[in-house]
Amino acid sequence: KAGVTQTPRYLIKTRGQQVTLSCSPISGHRSVSWYQQTPGQGLQFLFEYFSETQRNKGNFPGRFSGRQFSNSRSEMNVSTLELGDSALYLCASSQNGANYGYTFGSGTRLTVV
Amino acid sequence: EDKVVQSPLSLVVHEGDTVTLNCSYEVTNFRSLLWYKQEKKAPTFLFMLTSSGIEKKSGRLSSILDKKELFSILNITATQTGDSAVYLCAVEATGGGSNYKLTFGKGTLLTVNP
Repeated sequence: KAGVTQTPRYLIKTRGQQVTLSCSPISGHRSVSWYQQTPGQGLQFLFEYFSETQRNKGNFPGRFSGRQFSNSRSEMNVSTLELGDSALYLCASSQNGANYGYTFGSGTRLTVV
Repeated sequence: EDKVVQSPLSLVVHEGDTVTLNCSYEVTNFRSLLWYKQEKKAPTFLFMLTSSGIEKKSGRLSSILDKKELFSILNITATQTGDSAVYLCAVEATGGGSNYKLTFGKGTLLTVNP
């Protein structure tokens, strides 16, 4: 079965712009969670969506937002980009929590210049 | 705030060596502990542990959880160059109800030299 697909793979944006990243989960998975990975902070939880509802949110500013569609695909938006937002953004899908496994996508590498 | 600490942060060994990676945690509403291997981008799943004292094994890799002392170890025996990667420990916690989140440690960078 197809894995978790994230698009685009790479993105370069300038400060102040906004960006939208996409994540298509494994077919049948209803939970999508997003993580930011940087060399200094490691992987940090952004938010989790299940059946189009945000169930959990990490400690990130309101510039980071997301949504989930009825087909479980999820998008993450970052507005007013800052240099510090440069990171690898990973999404993970699961049926509903670790009992069913979390599968990660290959990520979107965002560079803010 | 939930916290996961991995040690060592990096490790260099020779092929054939045995390594032990450590993960300690402090989380509220613990549900499970997971180990992942990250080589390039996508972390790949290794183990999920929910019960203390039960060793999980997969080939040369094994892991065990101690819920009383709040730690887990990942052992790799007879290391190979293909084991070179970042090993991530994550703890799954519930936020009440059925919402979940993973808190990751910063990872252990393992380098296996021939």
